[in-house]
Amino acid sequence: GAVVSQHPSWVICKSGTSVKIECRSLDFQATTMFWYRQFPKQSLMLMATSNEGSKATYEQGVEKDKFLINHASLTLSTLTVTSAHPEDSSFYICSAVNSGANVLTFGAGSRLTVL
Amino acid sequence: AQSVAQPEDQVNVAEGNPLTVKCTYSVSGNPYLFWYVQYPNRGLQFLLKYITGDNLVKGSYGFEAEFNKSQTSFHLKKPSALVSDSALYFCAVREDGANNLFFGTGTRLTVIP
Repeated sequence: GAVVSQHPSWVICKSGTSVKIECRSLDFQATTMFWYRQFPKQSLMLMATSNEGSKATYEQGVEKDKFLINHASLTLSTLTVTSAHPEDSSFYICSAVNSGANVLTFGAGSRLTVL
Repeated sequence: AQSVAQPEDQVNVAEGNPLTVKCTYSVSGNPYLFWYVQYPNRGLQFLLKYITGDNLVKGSYGFEAEFNKSQTSFHLKKPSALVSDSALYFCAVREDGANNLFFGTGTRLTVIP
């Protein structure tokens, strides 16, 4: 079945540094990927839609300069949290559209802790 | 505008008993409905979906869901709960023509041994 790999699964960084999270579709091509943020005991909040070869579409209230998204190939999208602060600590989840199966496939998530 | 409601934050059920996790939705046009499960510190795992066809959809791990158009519901069910079913369950809807899913707030299922 379709697999989406997300790396790293855990990351701890100092305040002010930048962190990159990768999302890869392993056995299918994904022209569209989504990045979500999940706060403890809450639902997933869509941050942005990542489109291969074009700029990402950000949801209202999400700072595009803070959360840089790059989708340079059909199997890879990256989310970079720039100048991270403790309030950016969260669980970030990516998903990719597997158009053949008409299903969104999710990565395992990346837990970011900013000290 | 689309929306999903999961009216119960928490559902507790004894092992071996049937379980139901409720979901209602609102969407323009034909709904595409999904259930996902999330285990601690993990991403979401797909359980089942309704696109068209039979109202009763069977999915992974013995789960099923029934699409009820008149009640705009898509409740998740399992005849006999297992302790290992304890997790966070999300209902989601997608509008026809869209790629993104809109999620409910989640229901935490606890199966008591």
